[in-house]
Amino acid sequence: QKEVEQNSGPLSVPEGAIASLNCTYSDRGSQSFFWYRQYSGKSPELIMFIYSNGDKEDGRFTAQLNKASQYVSLLIRDSQPSDSATYLCAVRGSGNTGKLIFGQGTTLQVKP
Amino acid sequence: DAGVIQSPRHEVTEMGQEVTLRCKPISGHDYLFWYRQTMMRGLELLIYFNNNVPIDDSGMPEDRFSAKMPNASFSTLKIQPSEPRDSAVYFCASSPKVQGFSDTQYFGPGTRLTVL
Repeated sequence: QKEVEQNSGPLSVPEGAIASLNCTYSDRGSQSFFWYRQYSGKSPELIMFIYSNGDKEDGRFTAQLNKASQYVSLLIRDSQPSDSATYLCAVRGSGNTGKLIFGQGTTLQVKP
Repeated sequence: DAGVIQSPRHEVTEMGQEVTLRCKPISGHDYLFWYRQTMMRGLELLIYFNNNVPIDDSGMPEDRFSAKMPNASFSTLKIQPSEPRDSAVYFCASSPKVQGFSDTQYFGPGTRLTVL
């Protein structure tokens, strides 16, 4: 079992729709969770982090965390073609470690 | 701030040659990370440093790989000898102190390595 799992996609949604990206993790002691966006040929950039159960909203983005189910998701409302990218889920494990474990990423395609 | 700087941006070399990748982290950041990204394996952490000291090198694939951080503003990742399976994009990232949960890693533009 991979430590951080994501559906590779591609996930295709029409412009203006809600895109839902999901991630599961195996380390129950994981402390914090990150979503990075990576455009083709570019480096990953942080979109959001979350560390408490529940929802965290930032503009069109909402991160959701359920530690009991070891599940974290990212919702993108009013999806735009510029949101088309690969979204990487990253998890920081237990202990005072700087190490992040990344999932394989989900490719999102937003069609005009 | 200039962000994380990596050089070279592209490197093409032949099997058996030594390759050195370079990274300058964001000034004031205490942590430096080296990652490798391939289609098959995704983004993998190779090694990371805290205040120039290697903390976790469990991701370094084998003895052919080595990394150093002689000072707070410079790090190298060396592959000797290189092999075709080392072809990948290598990212360097830096972050401020890991305090609590909101530490953010800032990635450099990457070095695309091709070993023929």
